[in-house]
Amino acid sequence: NAGVTQTPKFQVLKTGQSMTLQCAQDMNHNSMYWYRQDPGMGLRLIYYSASEGTTDKGEVPNGYNVSRLNKREFSLRLESAAPSQTSVYFCASSEAGHFTDTQYFGPGTRLTVL
Amino acid sequence: AQSVTQLGSHVSVSEGALVLLRCNYSSSVPPYLFWYVQYPNQGLQLLLKYTTGATLVKGINGFEAEFKKSETSFHLTKPSAHMSDAAEYFCASTQGGSEKLVFGKGTKLTVNP
Repeated sequence: NAGVTQTPKFQVLKTGQSMTLQCAQDMNHNSMYWYRQDPGMGLRLIYYSASEGTTDKGEVPNGYNVSRLNKREFSLRLESAAPSQTSVYFCASSEAGHFTDTQYFGPGTRLTVL
Repeated sequence: AQSVTQLGSHVSVSEGALVLLRCNYSSSVPPYLFWYVQYPNQGLQLLLKYTTGATLVKGINGFEAEFKKSETSFHLTKPSAHMSDAAEYFCASTQGGSEKLVFGKGTKLTVNP
């Protein structure tokens, strides 16, 4: 039981390049989330998917797109990376579509945009 | 809008000493409250959470937190710190329903031998 897995672990991009961060969970959870973590800022929600087939914006969605590929997988795409998107990105999942549920986090992707 | 304030971005204690990490929330309705821990180079994991009922909540690794409505606080404590407690701790709150989870900025705990 791997829990929440994220690929890649590290990535360096040049400004303007695109990339997709992958996330998968094997806990049969309905809801999935993407957060970014910046020093001194805590975690901020980018997008979430309350259930398969639905996605919604979080606090900081600009510059990102998401796809809930199936119940297991939720990807985050940066179409044209900017230095301000340098951050650590965490994917999380929870059993039901409520923010009161416990969220289970992946190990993170550390992204640097030059 | 709800918010979460963690007092002290860095806290340092000696091994065996009391750990106290402070969290205050603002919410127009009784909130759901969480403490998450992040060990170096790892994702977050749940320590404990308050939903309804008993205001003293016990979590993993000997941590506990008390919900005090009158003080709008949810401070995290552990009677005796261990070296393995060194990590960053995040308080989070939601008003429930479709209200998103809001995280505090985190408190980094250092445990000195």
